[in-house]
Amino acid sequence: QTVVTQEPSVSVSPGGTVTLTCDLRSGSVSTTYYPSWYQQTPGQAPRTLIYSTNIRSSGVPDRFSGSMLGDKAALTIAGAQADDESNYYCVLYMGSGIWVFGGGTKLTVL
Amino acid sequence: EVQLLESGGGLVKPGGSLRLSCAASGFTFSTYSMNWVRQAPGKGLEWVSSITSSSRDIQYGHSVKGRFTISRDNARNLLFLQMNSLRAEDTALYYCARVMGKGTYFDLWGQGTMVAVSS
Repeated sequence: QTVVTQEPSVSVSPGGTVTLTCDLRSGSVSTTYYPSWYQQTPGQAPRTLIYSTNIRSSGVPDRFSGSMLGDKAALTIAGAQADDESNYYCVLYMGSGIWVFGGGTKLTVL
Repeated sequence: EVQLLESGGGLVKPGGSLRLSCAASGFTFSTYSMNWVRQAPGKGLEWVSSITSSSRDIQYGHSVKGRFTISRDNARNLLFLQMNSLRAEDTALYYCARVMGKGTYFDLWGQGTMVAVSS
């Protein structure tokens, strides 16, 4: 069974920059998995931030960016703000209509 | 307005069944693949099932395969999830989500419907 791993929790200072990563327990993440990233605050539906590794969804501020860091997908938030405090999920597309979600990263801004 | 609205959740006993619906509006439902994603209380998101626009291709996650059935009615802009042999671990908020980008990511989410499995 495919397992996608993310940091369980990360903290960043207001105005700072933070990078969250997305890895495969066995194997490497590549752009062929079309990594996407979603933000979810408690009680809300997920919000699409990034798709196809590095394309920002409509309306997403440019301080959110996606990239590959070696064999991991990455989400970088620059100039972190208080309302960036959320859970962030990486999703990999395995092909043939199958997706795998990472366990999520809880971002604290303090 | 482009939106997805789930319904059909509720409290059911272990071993019971439930049918969830997702009503799509504001876009041409019949041209999009659709998915169900769930979230257990206090836990992360889990992909459940997908269905292509024509219903030709269907996939399920390991934890629901053989118990859940996804389907759609393009004439009525509806997505369904028939859930049988429900277990306590199926307790979750169930979201429907639209697929975009050559079918590689979710671009539109509903607000979810809650399913609780308990005796």
